[in-house]
Order: sequence, then C-alpha cells, then structure tokens
Amino acid sequence: AQKITQTQPGMFVQEKEAVTLDCTYDTSDQSYGLFWYKQPSSGEMIFLIYQGSYDEQNATEGRYSLNFQKARKSANLVISASQLGDSAMYFCAMREGAVRASKIIFGSGTRLSIRP
Amino acid sequence: GAVVSQHPSWVICKSGTSVKIECRSLDFQATTMFWYRQFPKQSLMLMATSNEGSKATYEQGVEKDKFLINHASLTLSTLTVTSAHPEDSSFYICSATRSAGVNNEQFFGPGTRLTVL
Repeated sequence: AQKITQTQPGMFVQEKEAVTLDCTYDTSDQSYGLFWYKQPSSGEMIFLIYQGSYDEQNATEGRYSLNFQKARKSANLVISASQLGDSAMYFCAMREGAVRASKIIFGSGTRLSIRP
Repeated sequence: GAVVSQHPSWVICKSGTSVKIECRSLDFQATTMFWYRQFPKQSLMLMATSNEGSKATYEQGVEKDKFLINHASLTLSTLTVTSAHPEDSSFYICSATRSAGVNNEQFFGPGTRLTVL
C-alpha cells in the first residue's frame, strides 16, 4: 500500500502567487514525522520543513508552511509569494516511529513550474 | 547545516564492471545511513539502511549480492554495484542521520550519477 500520496504530478503557478502542494499519508503509528524536500534540476535534496505527529502547531520556515491535518492524514506544503527559483520537484516524505534512525519514504513528487 | 558528501559525483563504466560509491558525513557522526536510487522523473526509492558495524537492511526487491553496502565507520558508508549492467544506470543518493540531535535531521548527499554502457 502506498504510504505517501502526491496527486499533483505537475503544477504551473504565476510568480508571486501562493501555491499549495498536496500530500496525504497512511500510517498506523502514533508517532511519525513528515518532511518536505525540494529537488532542483541539479539533483540535490534540499530540506524545507518538518512536522512531527505530536506537534500541535503547523510548522513554518520562512515562505514555507505545512498545513497539517492529522485527522485527514494530510500534510500539504504552502509556499507563499512564489519565486522563479521555486521551480523544482517537491517531495513529501514520512518517517514512521519515533526513532531517529527510522527510514524515510518518499511520495512520487510534484513538479512545480513558476511562470514569470 | 551538516554536510554529506558523495564520491564520485558521476561515473561511466562498462557493463560487467563493479562500481563503488562513497558516502561521507563530513562534520558529524552518522550511526545510520540510507541509500536511495532515483530513475529519471521518478521519486527516490529506498534501497537499504546502512548501520555502522552491522549488516545493512535491504528493502524488498533489492538484491543484496548486487548492491553491497559497507558501513565501516561512523562517517563512511559505501555502496558497490557489482557486475553493473545498463539497467543499473541511475542516480544514487545517500542520506545520513546524526547519532545525536533532534529527530528531524536527515542530511542528503549530492548524489552520484551512474551510467553503465
């Protein structure tokens, strides 16, 4: 069964607009962590934001925020005021369990393209 | 942030040869490292979990005799693709978790692009 689902293979957004990238997950663990990574064409994986399952507040990091809806098992990434440099692949990922060394599983990704 | 390096960044080899890829945590100790493979326009697929001083844990469908993983120290894990074939051509990425620190820290290397002719 797929653990991380990203239903948007590609998105086009006008520069300076906000964009929401969808992510739903499936787990029976009570303790887990959710991540978003950005992968530009160079291939490097850039960490954007993290949300722990017990965190009551939605995580925010600069222009990135994570809309965490635990009951719906969704962890959407919101990018405010998009920039041309935001064009990249975006991956949602999950780590099950509380152990730091637990593996991280990735979703299929969303290719975001920002129009000038 | 912490730095993870990979060497080489790209490699081209002939079919049937073996290729070794190194993953190093430069400024922290990593008890656990992970190896991923990424085909073009696809997601990262976890291949194996590498634990220092013990045998790697392979994901279902990954041939452990094909992809040899050694994690001999707290800063170095190696992936050896044995008898490489064109279908092994891919982007290989490692990541490392600190032995101590907060739970959200997972650092990725820059990746190694393998092309098998």
